[in-house]
Amino acid sequence: AQTVTQSQPEMSVQEAETVTLSCTYDTSESNYYLFWYKQPPSRQMILVIRQEAYKQQNATENRFSVNFQKAAKSFSLKISDSQLGDTAMYFCAFMNPSGANSKLTFGKGITLSVRP
Amino acid sequence: DVKVTQSSRYLVKRTGEKVFLECVQDMDHENMFWYRQDPGLGLRLIYFSYDVKMKEKGDIPEGYSVSREKKERFSLILESASTNQTSMYLCASSLPDRTRYSNQPQHFGDGTRLSIL
Repeated sequence: AQTVTQSQPEMSVQEAETVTLSCTYDTSESNYYLFWYKQPPSRQMILVIRQEAYKQQNATENRFSVNFQKAAKSFSLKISDSQLGDTAMYFCAFMNPSGANSKLTFGKGITLSVRP
Repeated sequence: DVKVTQSSRYLVKRTGEKVFLECVQDMDHENMFWYRQDPGLGLRLIYFSYDVKMKEKGDIPEGYSVSREKKERFSLILESASTNQTSMYLCASSLPDRTRYSNQPQHFGDGTRLSIL
């Protein structure tokens, strides 16, 4: 079974600064997907960024980028130029595609606070 | 945009009651999921469904059942509610992955905070 570990329960960052959220996972599969989801205080979970394991290039979405280290099974999220609206809970998630029934395995989440 | 609607934001029920949580999606997604979210535990999958009348157990199905009579609706049922089922419940939906090299993201509802007294 796959496991996803987010070891930091909370982090805080000053507005406009950069912050990195860490995530490690464990799997024996060679092909899989990794995700970062954001859950703001309003509670709707939204997808921030995703990475395919077979791609060597790190995914980037505007101010959000990942550092994917496949050998180390590490998948960290970097938020540049932090904004107050980035305050949320962030979940790292793993998916092993297996046809139509792909399931997500989530980490425990990290609460990020952006200070004005 | 995909819309996943959960029928209640907050719900209070009593121990032993039968509780229904409803979820509707408007994008004709085949896959639907029910999670519970607890502090320090993240999201844990209760049940999922990849087609009408199809269901599979997730990681923590005990004490729960589900119903998928129509493609757009996925119901979570607490047969006899207990206090340890007090939690935030999240519904999600997605298209199926057609190949090992495709991926469809899950879209989530706003969640239902359920309290069992």
